[in-house]
Amino acid sequence: AQSVTQLDSQVPVFEEAPVELRCNYSSSVSVYLFWYVQYPNQGLQLLLKYLSGSTLVKGINGFEAEFNKSQTSFHLRKPSVHISDTAEYFCAVSGNYGQNFVFGPGTRLSVLP
Amino acid sequence: DGGITQSPKYLFRKEGQNVTLSCEQNLNHDAMYWYRQDPGQGLRLIYYSQIVNDFQKGDIAEGYSVSREKKESFPLTVTSAQKNPTAFYLCASSISGVNNEQFFGPGTRLTVL
Repeated sequence: AQSVTQLDSQVPVFEEAPVELRCNYSSSVSVYLFWYVQYPNQGLQLLLKYLSGSTLVKGINGFEAEFNKSQTSFHLRKPSVHISDTAEYFCAVSGNYGQNFVFGPGTRLSVLP
Repeated sequence: DGGITQSPKYLFRKEGQNVTLSCEQNLNHDAMYWYRQDPGQGLRLIYYSQIVNDFQKGDIAEGYSVSREKKESFPLTVTSAQKNPTAFYLCASSISGVNNEQFFGPGTRLTVL
């Protein structure tokens, strides 16, 4: 069975500082990995996804993530955050044998002025 | 514009009443999903449907029911058997295939008084 761990439930960071949100997964099969963002009282919006190919994936709003198969990680990074990046971020994994998406518990990013 | 609509945005019901949450999509997606979101617990899958007139239980289906009579629509009924129905409910859809991203609606916040 697949699972996703997001070790940091909350990450406070000052505006214009870099940030990394951590995501680790466990799966015995090939995986597809996703990061979603959720603003308060809204649905989820896809930031980026890794399906195959280059392990460095660039997404919207200046975010990027790196797939590391040996460490089973897919950490999300942004070199300089803005107040508007304050939101909840979810990592998700799906497999190629009919498994559904499995979401991590989420990380609440708070960008401070 | 293509997308997913959920109505209403906020819903209040008395304990013991059944309530139906609407989800409609005009993306021509075959697959649709219902998730429940509680603070600190991420998203949990209630039901999903890969094709019209067929649906499968997710991880927390007890106390919920669904129907999929049309490709565009996937309503969720929260029955009186659901012990703790107050939550944020999210509907999603995707092209069939496990590596395809899920598109989310704006969500319905259900409060049972």
